[in-house]
Amino acid sequence: EVKLVESGGGLVQPGGSLRLSCATSGFTFTDYYMSWVRQPPGKALEWLGFIRNKANGYTTEYSASVKGRFTISRDNSQSILYLQMNTLRAEDSATYYCARLHYYGRPWFAYWGQGTLVTVSA
Amino acid sequence: DIKMTQSPSSMYASLGERVTITCKASQDINSYLSWFQQKPGKSPKTLIYRANRLVDGVPSRFSGSGSGQDYSLTISSLEYEDMGIYYCLQYDEFPLTFGAGTKLELK
Repeated sequence: EVKLVESGGGLVQPGGSLRLSCATSGFTFTDYYMSWVRQPPGKALEWLGFIRNKANGYTTEYSASVKGRFTISRDNSQSILYLQMNTLRAEDSATYYCARLHYYGRPWFAYWGQGTLVTVSA
Repeated sequence: DIKMTQSPSSMYASLGERVTITCKASQDINSYLSWFQQKPGKSPKTLIYRANRLVDGVPSRFSGSGSGQDYSLTISSLEYEDMGIYYCLQYDEFPLTFGAGTKLELK
């Protein structure tokens, strides 16, 4: 069974940092692209970025809204995906989801985690 | 960035009714479009990818269609469990962009 479990959310002050984790199981982690998506309370989903699989060199892509502040990485030995978030702002408050992507012409979102809530506030 | 215009933003429908939600991209996205369902307090669930391919385990009353800039999600006969918010996503170009969502409620 495919499992994606996010953790690491919580309350952080503006300007602070936080690292989210997405622990995975039930599949060969290195075979898949992985992604982060967020959703502010009551608002729509926003794609943040993804990291490619082993065959594609684990390279990354980011949304302009987080590029330079957020970093996606992966620990392939432990099958964990990370999102390092720096210089956090109030507008970064959201539920953060990790997702496993499948490939069919382009990578598409196949499985989602349950999400972890980040609140940026003084 | 590609803008995804989703309509309607909300709608009421009756059980058994046929429901259609549309998404219009600001440019051709080559059918690289997915549809997601989200229920309150839950993570999104992928229904459709590549415009018309049904994800394994998703009921056959859901279907997707479209090409170029115009896409739609159809529920052939609405069931109670289909209530929620539906989002489209284009994944043809970076940045990937979602529609604003369609809230589907029971009439």
